Amino acid sequence: DAKTTQPTSMDCAEGRAANLPCNHSTISGNEYVYWYRQIHSQGPQYIIHGLKNNETNEMASLIITEDRKSSTLILPHATLRDTAVYYCIVRVGWAGGFKTIFGAGTRLFVKA
Amino acid sequence: EAQVTQNPRYLITVTGKKLTVTCSQNMNHEYMSWYRQDPGLGLRQIYYSMNVEVTDKGDVPEGYKVSRKEKRNFPLILESPSPNQTSLYFCASSLLYSRDGGYNEQFFGPGTRLTVL
Repeated sequence: DAKTTQPTSMDCAEGRAANLPCNHSTISGNEYVYWYRQIHSQGPQYIIHGLKNNETNEMASLIITEDRKSSTLILPHATLRDTAVYYCIVRVGWAGGFKTIFGAGTRLFVKA
Repeated sequence: EAQVTQNPRYLITVTGKKLTVTCSQNMNHEYMSWYRQDPGLGLRQIYYSMNVEVTDKGDVPEGYKVSRKEKRNFPLILESPSPNQTSLYFCASSLLYSRDGGYNEQFFGPGTRLTVL
């Protein structure tokens, strides 16, 4: 699975959009991009995933560059409860097996 | 309520005393997995299972055993715990196949904090 690079930490003002970048320059054509987050020491929570196209759900938007070498998770209106560690993972789909590699993630601080 | 449960939530034990951490899910998921989380190292996968009687090693399987005799349960066994297995452990489950060929979201349990003295 491709390696990902994320900033160690980021700040965001409450009510503003939080844009969390992820570099995955070695991603291959059949690898998906997934985002999870972990609040305090709770179990991680799935946010969104995509392959080529941008994706949006009730939690966030995922923007994947055309060359697929990087992506951005967007929380459109960050709240204090969005303070968490955000993990970007790239991996092949189920046909490629089920090993999962989480990186160190980005610690997002949402400030009032 | 759909959930993944782990027991115990907290455990303090001594080196060499065999222990089992249980994991159970009520969502009829085929896939289950164990992770450990240590400061500065993030989440690392220990073992995973794609269905009953099918298990495979993750990135850090040494010192751990698992079994999958029933679909809902996936216990983690430490035959002879050592201090370097002091960690926060998470169990997760998911459906195996998704419509888009991707990999389904994993649902995580609340975690088990283990201390080995």
